[in-house]
Amino acid sequence: DTGVSQDPRHKITKRGQNVTFRCDPISEHNRLYWYRQTLGQGPEFLTYFQNEAQLEKSRLLSDRFSAERPKGSFSTLEIQRTEQGDSAMYLCASSWDRLAAYEQYFGPGTRLTVT
Amino acid sequence: AQTVTQSQPEMSVQEAETVTLSCTYDTSESNYYLFWYKQPPSRQMILVIRQEAYKQQNATENRFSVNFQKAAKSFSLKISDSQLGDTAMYFCATLDQGGSEKLVFGKGTKLTVNP
Repeated sequence: DTGVSQDPRHKITKRGQNVTFRCDPISEHNRLYWYRQTLGQGPEFLTYFQNEAQLEKSRLLSDRFSAERPKGSFSTLEIQRTEQGDSAMYLCASSWDRLAAYEQYFGPGTRLTVT
Repeated sequence: AQTVTQSQPEMSVQEAETVTLSCTYDTSESNYYLFWYKQPPSRQMILVIRQEAYKQQNATENRFSVNFQKAAKSFSLKISDSQLGDTAMYFCATLDQGGSEKLVFGKGTKLTVNP
């Protein structure tokens, strides 16, 4: 069990560019979550997968955001036409199932800076 | 909609002393979980303690314990024998058992343990 990993850890991009982040959950965890954390705030939910199915998306997830989890393993979060307001820490978490009492394991995050 | 309020943006405590972090929440659900997560500086978020709403007994994990007051919708975290490694942001979070599996976080309390 190597924990949840995220890549890259830091990303600096210019406004208008597209960026993609990757999350590798703990192996055999079937649930995967994306959260966004801005400075001085707690994480806010973005979207959630059970296996490969995207079951819920927050209204925070505008049309410029898209997330996938092909084959129910790793997940990617893409932001198109980045804006300065997208600057934040993007956190990924995974969990086993409801029987695991909903414990979510978090990755180290990807810090995005849009200049 | 669920909401979580942490009214103490920052707190400090001397090493070996006890500190209590406050959290209030609001939910319309009858079955839910409450969590305290710890986010050390530049490190990933980890679960400190978990409470199931239907359990009246307060959860404890070593030096960490909670005071769960369901009627008052209060969920405070007590840290006994504070250690330097307890310095971190602490987030209170709730999760509705019957619906979405997303965590809803408060804004956090920055705890500093002084030597």
